[in-house]
Parts: sequence; structure tokens; C-alpha cells
Amino acid sequence: SQKIEQNSEALNIQEGKTATLTCNYTNYSPAYLQWYRQDPGRGPVFLLLIRENEKEKRKERLKVTFDTTLKQSLFHITASQPADSATYLCALEVYSGAGSYQLTFGKGTKLSVIP
Amino acid sequence: ETGVTQTPRHLVMGMTNKKSLKCEQHLGHNAMYWYKQSAKKPLELMFVYNFKEQTENNSVPSRFSPECPNSSHLFLHLHTLQPEDSALYLCASSQVGGVQPQHFGDGTRLSIL
Repeated sequence: SQKIEQNSEALNIQEGKTATLTCNYTNYSPAYLQWYRQDPGRGPVFLLLIRENEKEKRKERLKVTFDTTLKQSLFHITASQPADSATYLCALEVYSGAGSYQLTFGKGTKLSVIP
Repeated sequence: ETGVTQTPRHLVMGMTNKKSLKCEQHLGHNAMYWYKQSAKKPLELMFVYNFKEQTENNSVPSRFSPECPNSSHLFLHLHTLQPEDSALYLCASSQVGGVQPQHFGDGTRLSIL
């Protein structure tokens, strides 16, 4: 069966350290993978998109890797700050036909950055 | 400020009531989506509309009835809901074609008594 697993429900990290979140998937062949941030009581906000032929993507303090052999994506936040505390969602983009793609989400990892 | 607005933000209804959720996007997108988010579960895609035409219905019970009168507006009509339908209902929009990030509203928190 198809599965998307994000390494842990919750991750606590000290301010200033690098947070690393993991997204593993099975029985999918995603063309793209996206990461979103969700704050309590709010909708998800798009952060980064990475294509299957890209190994790494960066945006400011964020870095995403995508290994289609391992079927894994890593999401890094360097120099983490308390304001980075949120739930981070991994989403696989799979072609559903007629030019359309569907997003399938993981459950998310709740990151807490401790001052 | 979000370009996708959902109303109401909170809704409490009995199982025999009929209500509607509304979503409006101001981003010029032509695809709109309904998702359900329950505690401890991933977002579940319910419906997809491309250019006002429904292209996906992920085995959603008929007590949920979507409507998309134009590319900017999306409704979810609710009737005879069950307690397990209590959840956060999220609307999203994107451009059609290729791979596009989705822009989400802040959802309607629905509680069924």
C-alpha cells in the first residue's frame, strides 16, 4: 500500500541548531515533492518545491533534499528560531491524468524550537 | 494576508441541519480544492475543480456536495452529517497545468453535535 511517513510527530530542538525533518514514502513515484508549514488554527503555507531530478533546493535558511532511490526527502532549517515552531507537512505530487497533479500529504512533524 | 478566504471560521451544527461552507480566492487561480483535516490524520483531498469542472471526487459521501459557480468561488454544502465529520475543512487554490503550489485558506472548524 502507499504510505507517506514523517519521521516523528514532534521534534524539540534548541534555538540556533539545525532542525532536520524526514519524509519517507513507499509505493509512490512522485514527480515533485512540496513542503508546507502550518501554524495552529491556520491553513498550510507553501515553502518549497523540489523536482525528482533535483537533488537539493535552498531558500534562505531552508534546505530540501530529494532522494528518489531512498524514497526520502529531508527538510533542514538552519539557525533555528522560536518563530520556526510550527507543524511541517510533506506532500507528494503525483500525476493524476489530463494534465492534473494531486497532492498527497503526510501527517506532519510538529517542531518546537526552545529558546 | 491570505488570498484565499473561508467563511465561516467556526460552525457548530446538529446532524439534521443543512449548512454551507464558502471559499473565495483572489489570486486569479483556476483550480480549487476541498480538503478535510482531522486530528492525528493527514490532509485528505475531497474534491478538485479545474476551470469550474469537477475533476476529482475521492469517494466522498454524498452528504457533502460541492459547488463551483466560477473559478473564484467554491462551496461545500453539508446535510445530515455524522459526528465523525467534525474536522477542519480547508479550501485551496492553484493554477492549472504543470506543478503548482497550493494556496490554502485558514479553514472552517466544523463541529457536529
